[in-house]
Amino acid sequence: AQKVTQAQTEISVVEKEDVTLDCVYETRDTTYYLFWYKQPPSGELVFLIRRNSFDEQNEISGRYSWNFQKSTSSFNFTITASQVVDSAVYFCALSVITGGFKTIFGAGTRLFVKA
Amino acid sequence: NAGVTQTPKFQVLKTGQSMTLQCAQDMNHEYMSWYRQDPGMGLRLIHYSVGAGITDQGEVPNGYNVSRSTTEDFPLRLLSAAPSQTSVYFCASSPASGYSYNEQFFGPGTRLTVL
Repeated sequence: AQKVTQAQTEISVVEKEDVTLDCVYETRDTTYYLFWYKQPPSGELVFLIRRNSFDEQNEISGRYSWNFQKSTSSFNFTITASQVVDSAVYFCALSVITGGFKTIFGAGTRLFVKA
Repeated sequence: NAGVTQTPKFQVLKTGQSMTLQCAQDMNHEYMSWYRQDPGMGLRLIHYSVGAGITDQGEVPNGYNVSRSTTEDFPLRLLSAAPSQTSVYFCASSPASGYSYNEQFFGPGTRLTVL
């Protein structure tokens, strides 16, 4: 069975601090996809990044970076120099094909960035 | 493009009533899905479809029916509403790409309350 664990329920930081959101996943599939989505207070869900299981390269996009480590089954997300606009709930998700095209979401981490 | 649209935005039902949540996308995406979001539980997959005429169950399908007669539309039916179905419902679509996963595009959500 597939599982995604986001152990941090809520994180509170002060603007300009760096913050890392943890994501640990479980799957027996060798081919899988990992995603991060952002849900701001307005409620919509916004795609941030996709990574497949064969690509362990870390990625940086502006203030956002992602660290994918298959050895520890983790796909962590770091925001550098956080801003108030980063306040949101962040979801990590795992997609596998075995048993159907299904995506499993973690419970989410709520990030508060204070000015 | 309107993207993924959902109607209604809000709905209050009495226990035992039935209703249909509408979802439409204009991006010609093959894959569509329905999720429910409950506090502290992330998003859970209800049903999904990999193309017109093809649907399958997700994690929490009980009490819900779907059909996919066209590529554009993917309605979700509650046959006999129960208070446990009080939730925020999201519809999503994703472009097909063989046996790989692409990011999902989410609708704005429907907030359903069952009394």
